[in-house]
Amino acid sequence: RKEVEQDPGPFNVPEGATVAFNCTYSNSASQSFFWYRQDCRKEPKLLMSVYSSGNEDGRFTAQLNRASQYISLLIRDSKLSDSATYLCVVPRAGAGSYQLTFGKGTKLSVIP
Amino acid sequence: DADVTQTPRNRITKTGKRIMLECSQTKGHDRMYWYRQDPGLGLRLIYYSFDVKDINKGEISDGYSVSRQAQAKFSLSLESAIPNQTALYFCATSEPGTVLTFGAGSRLTVL
Repeated sequence: RKEVEQDPGPFNVPEGATVAFNCTYSNSASQSFFWYRQDCRKEPKLLMSVYSSGNEDGRFTAQLNRASQYISLLIRDSKLSDSATYLCVVPRAGAGSYQLTFGKGTKLSVIP
Repeated sequence: DADVTQTPRNRITKTGKRIMLECSQTKGHDRMYWYRQDPGLGLRLIYYSFDVKDINKGEISDGYSVSRQAQAKFSLSLESAIPNQTALYFCATSEPGTVLTFGAGSRLTVL
């Protein structure tokens, strides 16, 4: 299994739709996980941190399944402004200090 | 002003030239990082520094060097640029156990 693997996308969804992305990881010792959002040609910005079974912030819900080693990101009532690439981020396996592995990202396009 | 500032934002250079990308931060963080991003690939760690006297190689350090001139400044150098170093480079900072804050990126093209 790759360190971090994401749904390839792209996801093209209409406004108001609910969309979910999955991310699998190989480092079973990971305790913290992150979803970052990256707009085209811009820097990644933290969307959500996930430290236990899940986290919810408004329309966004992140869930963690440690047994199956995956995290998911659910976006409800999609907005045009949600169009971006979503990066799954996991602490790097075997790293002696705080290093992160970034997934390749899943591109979301919300269509009017 | 941005918390993490990268200069230059865009640079076009030729094979064999020496290039320096600079990063400064106002967050007071001890930890600083350099990543590169290529189309279709995730961000990959080049070098990281946990304080002024601590420099560590990341996943892809070959062909790069860094200098931590002060707590707030971390520069990345390409001693002899080659075309496959064409990429988007990001500097980032963090405190232990906290998330990364990225600069706006430096787009480098090596012809």
